[in-house]
Amino acid sequence: AQSVTQLGSHVSVSEGALVLLRCNYSSSVPPYLFWYVQYPNQGLQLLLKYTSAATLVKGINGFEAEFKKSETSFHLTKPSAHMSDAAEYFCAVSDKGYQKVTFGIGTKLQVIP
Amino acid sequence: DGGITQSPKYLFRKEGQNVTLSCEQNLNHDAMYWYRQDPGQGLRLIYYSQIVNDFQKGDIAEGYSVSREKKESFPLTVTSAQKNPTAFYLCASSAIVGQAFYNEQFFGPGTRLTVL
Repeated sequence: AQSVTQLGSHVSVSEGALVLLRCNYSSSVPPYLFWYVQYPNQGLQLLLKYTSAATLVKGINGFEAEFKKSETSFHLTKPSAHMSDAAEYFCAVSDKGYQKVTFGIGTKLQVIP
Repeated sequence: DGGITQSPKYLFRKEGQNVTLSCEQNLNHDAMYWYRQDPGQGLRLIYYSQIVNDFQKGDIAEGYSVSREKKESFPLTVTSAQKNPTAFYLCASSAIVGQAFYNEQFFGPGTRLTVL
């Protein structure tokens, strides 16, 4: 069975500081991995995805994530936080060819001016 | 513009009532999904469908029902058997590319259901 663990339900950073949101996965086969962002009372929007083409994946809004098989991790980073980055972020995993996606519980990012 | 629409945005239900949440997509996606979101619990899968006239239960299907009569529509009915229906409901869709679809899901804006 596949699963995702997001470390830290709430993360606070200062504006301009590095953003690091942690995600570890468990999967019996090579996984597909995703990061989504959700603003209050809205649906989820895809930030980036890993589908085995490259281990360092760049997404929208300056975010990127690195797939590390040895650590079963897919952490999300952004060099400099902006106030508009305040939102909830979800890591998700899907086994290749599997119909379902499993989501983590989410990490709320607070950006302090 | 292609996308997913959900209606209504806010819905209030009295105890004992059934209510139906609408989900429509014009992305020509084969697969559609319903999730329930509660604070601190992430997204939990209620039902999903890969093809018209076929659907499967997700992790928390009890008290819910769905239909898939058209490719673009996947309505969710919250029945009176669902004991705690107050939540944010999200509909999503994804394309199926051959046998190895990777399930990038596109989400609607959500419906917030409140039981009075």
